[in-house]
Parts: sequence; C-alpha cells; structure tokens
Amino acid sequence: KAGVTQTPRYLIKTRGQQVTLSCSPISGHRSVSWYQQTPGQGLQFLFEYFSETQRNKGNFPGRFSGRQFSNSRSEMNVSTLELGDSALYLCASRSGDGSSYNEQFFGPGTRLTVL
Amino acid sequence: DAKTTQPPSMDCAEGRAANLPCNHSTISGNEYVYWYRQIHSQGPQYIIHGLKNNETNEMASLIITEDRKSSTLILPHATLRDTAVYYCIVRVPGGSDKIIFGKGTRLHILP
Repeated sequence: KAGVTQTPRYLIKTRGQQVTLSCSPISGHRSVSWYQQTPGQGLQFLFEYFSETQRNKGNFPGRFSGRQFSNSRSEMNVSTLELGDSALYLCASRSGDGSSYNEQFFGPGTRLTVL
Repeated sequence: DAKTTQPPSMDCAEGRAANLPCNHSTISGNEYVYWYRQIHSQGPQYIIHGLKNNETNEMASLIITEDRKSSTLILPHATLRDTAVYYCIVRVPGGSDKIIFGKGTRLHILP
C-alpha cells in the first residue's frame, strides 16, 4: 500500500496570508489527524476528521481549520498567518473505526515557513 | 495533556541494547501502550504496542510492568540509524480517541 502523502513538502508564506495543506491517507483509512510540530512545543494535536466530520479538536485558534472529502483526503487551512505558525505540519491516517489497533501512520510533513 | 513521562534524552553505545523507559502511572485498564519514533525531519513511525503482556516484533521489544504503570522499549542492537526521538503514548485503541504525544526521549547512539 502507498503511504500517507502530503503536499506541498515545503512552503514559504508571509504574515497575513493564508495557506492550504493537503493530505492523502493510506487507502482504506477513514481517519485523518493533523499535528503541528515546533521545536519548543513538540507534537501538538490540531484536529481529527473521520468520514468527513471533525471528530476531535485540539487547542488551536479558529484560524486553523480543516475538512475531509468523501475519498478521505483532507486539507487544513491556516488563515492570517503569524510568524509563530512556522512549523512542520504532519498528517496521520488510521482506520479510525475501531476494527483494528488503530496505529497511526504519518506522512512526511509539510514544512511551513512564515516570513 | 500527555499521560506519559519520559526522560528527555538518553545515550546508548552502538551495538548495545537501548532501553527507553516510560512512566504511565494513571493508565486505565483498557488503555494500550504505543511507541513511535521520529527520525529527524521525518514523520513519526509506529514501532510497537501492547496491553499487559510483553511484545516483540522485528523492530523492538516492549516490556510492561505487572502493575502496568511503566514500560520499557528495548532496541536489542542499537545502530546509528536508531538515533531519533521516541514517543510513548497510552490510549484506548478504539475509533474516536484523541492521540496526544508528549515530549518524548531523544536517543543518541554513540559510535
């Protein structure tokens, strides 16, 4: 099976702009989670989508949003970018339906730099 | 918040066994212990998981104490490629659980 893919791999934006990141999960996985990783805060959970519905949410401001499509692909959007949004954004997929041990498989991440 | 505590860093000589501890004193009866690792600039990689019995796979062994309040991940013959941050998490492997990562342990393999 192909792994989790994320596009783009690298992105440079300026403050105030918005950005959309994309994630394609492993075939058959219906759950997609997003994480933000920074040197100071580590891996922080953003949100999880399952069957096109947000199922879990972390403690991030409303500038961070996401969605999931019927084919389980997911996008996350960050509006009004701030310097502190510079981070590695990771997407992870799992079956999400309780039919297995639900280990997560991560993509390579998108490195976002805000100038 | 993460429900696990790990040392921030550890060293291990190449070829020796690396033993990474994790404390999870508030673990519930139906929560499993999962281990992941993250090699620099890559996404985390699943290693192993267990409930109460010791587990072994091609990558590592997981030893869980009888009271389940702590566990140890063992890499039997560490190589330089095992240099990574190792994360221990506890969760119920159901459908809707929120998976929260702590700070992890940075493992340095010394040549």
